[in-house]
Amino acid sequence: NAGVTQTPKFQVLKTGQSMTLQCAQDMNHEYMSWYRQDPGMGLRLIHYSVGAGITDQGEVPNGYNVSRSTTEDFPLRLLSAAPSQTSVYFCASLRRGQETQYFGPGTRLLVL
Amino acid sequence: QKEVEQDPGPLSVPEGAIVSLNCTYSNSAFQYFMWYRQYSRKGPELLMYTYSSGNKEDGRFTAQVDKSSKYISLFIRDSHPSDSATYLCAMSSLTGNQFYFGTGTSLTVIP
Repeated sequence: NAGVTQTPKFQVLKTGQSMTLQCAQDMNHEYMSWYRQDPGMGLRLIHYSVGAGITDQGEVPNGYNVSRSTTEDFPLRLLSAAPSQTSVYFCASLRRGQETQYFGPGTRLLVL
Repeated sequence: QKEVEQDPGPLSVPEGAIVSLNCTYSNSAFQYFMWYRQYSRKGPELLMYTYSSGNKEDGRFTAQVDKSSKYISLFIRDSHPSDSATYLCAMSSLTGNQFYFGTGTSLTVIP
């Protein structure tokens, strides 16, 4: 199993540009989530999904959209990038009942 | 008030020392408690997971949960330089749809 994969590893955007961060898992996990990690702030939940077709907001959802059309994929969209969205983004997945989140390697995003 | 509070450190100890890492929380609904280890420029990986109160031991690692005090701890015995990383606590309620993380404690074990 590849586990949780994320692409790209690193991205530079200009203010106002849009992009999609990709996340995929091959463990057939129902639950998937997106976090951002900033110095001194820890991991903060952006959006999560408990299954295909079901998404919900986390702690810091503004400026981000998600969709979940398949069990495997959970892309995160930045509609109009802002410098405040400069961060490291982690995707995670979990099998309900085990409460063990598996994290991807992260995407480093710099918004100029 | 943040849901989870964790001293960011940094913490520096000599090899072989016992390390104590702690988190406090405010939400009495939290029932699942986790510790993650994160090496530099990597994703977090689960170290320990406990449900409700009590202790759990796994090799050199012991996790403790005191729900009456809303306080959790991770102890690392016989610390190694390879334990040098950032340690994050995390917790969730029974529904488990949202996980709340501490800010992480940076640990360096000096050979």
